[in-house]
Amino acid sequence: GQQLNQSPQSMFIQEGEDVSMNCTSSSIFNTWLWYKQDPGEGPVLLIALYKAGELTSNGRLTAQFGITRKDSFLNISASIPSDVGIYFCAGRSTTDKLIFGTGTRLQVFP
Amino acid sequence: DSGVTQTPKHLITATGQRVTLRCSPRSGDLSVYWYQQSLDQGLQFLIQYYNGEERAKGNILERFSAQQFPDLHSELNLSSLELGDSALYFCASSVGQVDYGYTFGSGTRLTVV
Repeated sequence: GQQLNQSPQSMFIQEGEDVSMNCTSSSIFNTWLWYKQDPGEGPVLLIALYKAGELTSNGRLTAQFGITRKDSFLNISASIPSDVGIYFCAGRSTTDKLIFGTGTRLQVFP
Repeated sequence: DSGVTQTPKHLITATGQRVTLRCSPRSGDLSVYWYQQSLDQGLQFLIQYYNGEERAKGNILERFSAQQFPDLHSELNLSSLELGDSALYFCASSVGQVDYGYTFGSGTRLTVV
């Protein structure tokens, strides 16, 4: 099925470091969403972006809707152990399909 | 607790068998979505129901089917199971037909042996 390309695939960082991940597509999207999945749980919505260029924060998380509408970025500042999990981007296409990225697996070491 | 309830949490079954996964959406949500997540894979959209009617179809195999009942709960039926069907199956719900974010349940882990 169609998926977005997310990078990096995985990250191993030390507590306190900042994290950046991105999502790219060959198609344009009307909405970008970022989800986090804890082990054994379903994804939980972190941030939603509705227009090109938009920059939105949720605590230590900041996400941006790329100007080309084909990409989005998520930054996590001053990481803590509970940031561990899989981060998924999702884009809503012009045909209203919600397509998920391949995920970025984040490990935080104390 | 997200408000989306999925049962059972775990299911182990043999190849060739049939299973039914159940989902109760969040109160007030009319849409139910089913996703499959295989090991180390992203989320693959299977199917969406809105208020009892099928609204969108993704990469759902012919051996799989779903329905949404009048009380809005949904069931995903998987038949003639193969080893490759082993995965996490998530249900999500939203208020309308097209929403900006879904609420996911905690999933059913299906293991086919």
